[in-house]
Amino acid sequence: SQQGEEDPQALSIQEGENATMNCSYKTSINNLQWYRQNSGRGLVHLILIRSNEREKHSGRLRVTLDTSKKSSSLLITASRAADTASYFCALTDSWGKLQFGAGTQVVVTP
Amino acid sequence: EAQVTQNPRYLITVTGKKLTVTCSQNMNHEYMSWYRQDPGLGLRQIYYSMNVEVTDKGDVPEGYKVSRKEKRNFPLILESPSPNQTSLYFCASRKSGYSYEQYFGPGTRLTVT
Repeated sequence: SQQGEEDPQALSIQEGENATMNCSYKTSINNLQWYRQNSGRGLVHLILIRSNEREKHSGRLRVTLDTSKKSSSLLITASRAADTASYFCALTDSWGKLQFGAGTQVVVTP
Repeated sequence: EAQVTQNPRYLITVTGKKLTVTCSQNMNHEYMSWYRQDPGLGLRQIYYSMNVEVTDKGDVPEGYKVSRKEKRNFPLILESPSPNQTSLYFCASRKSGYSYEQYFGPGTRLTVT
C-alpha cells in the first residue's frame, strides 16, 4: 500500500520564520490531507486538497498539490511556538483509504 | 461538542491478559477506524468499519479484533496481548465518502510487559 513520504523528517526554526515541508507519493490519489499532532496527542485535521486543486489556504497555512510530480507542500507562515508539533500528510486512495506518512517534526523556538 | 473518546488513556498489562479499548463518537459518522502509531512508522491502520456490522482488516490486523454493533462504538480487542503490541493507539471517525476529514480520539498508550 502506498503512503506519503514527508521531507524533511525534522525542522527547527525561529518564531516568525516560515516552515515548509513536503510530501511525495507514488500512485494516484483522490485527495491529500495534512494533519498536526502535538506530542502524544490525537491528530488534528488541518486542510484537505482534492486532486483537481492546485493550492489551498487556511489562515497561516498554504498547501499546494502537483499531481504531475506527485507531491504536495505545506507552508506555515510567520510560525509561532504553538506550531511546534509533528505534521503528517495523508493520502486518500481510490478505495477511500487514508494512508499516513511518518511525519515531519517541527520545532519553533522563541 | 463533537468528539471521539477512548478509554482507557493509559494501560499497562501483562502478556496474554485480554483487554478491550473502547472508542465512541458522537457525530453519527459511518466510518470508524483504529490506528497504531510507532516511532518512525507513522500511523498504520489496524481495522476499519464502513458502518454497523461491516468491518475489514487494515494494514496490521494480526492480534486484534473489532466489532461494530452500534454506530457510535467501535471497540478494539486484544485477545492475548504481546509485547510487540506496545504502542500508541488512536481511534478515528469520519463521514462516509472520500473527501471528509477524520476526527481522532486522544489516544491510548498501551504497554504490554
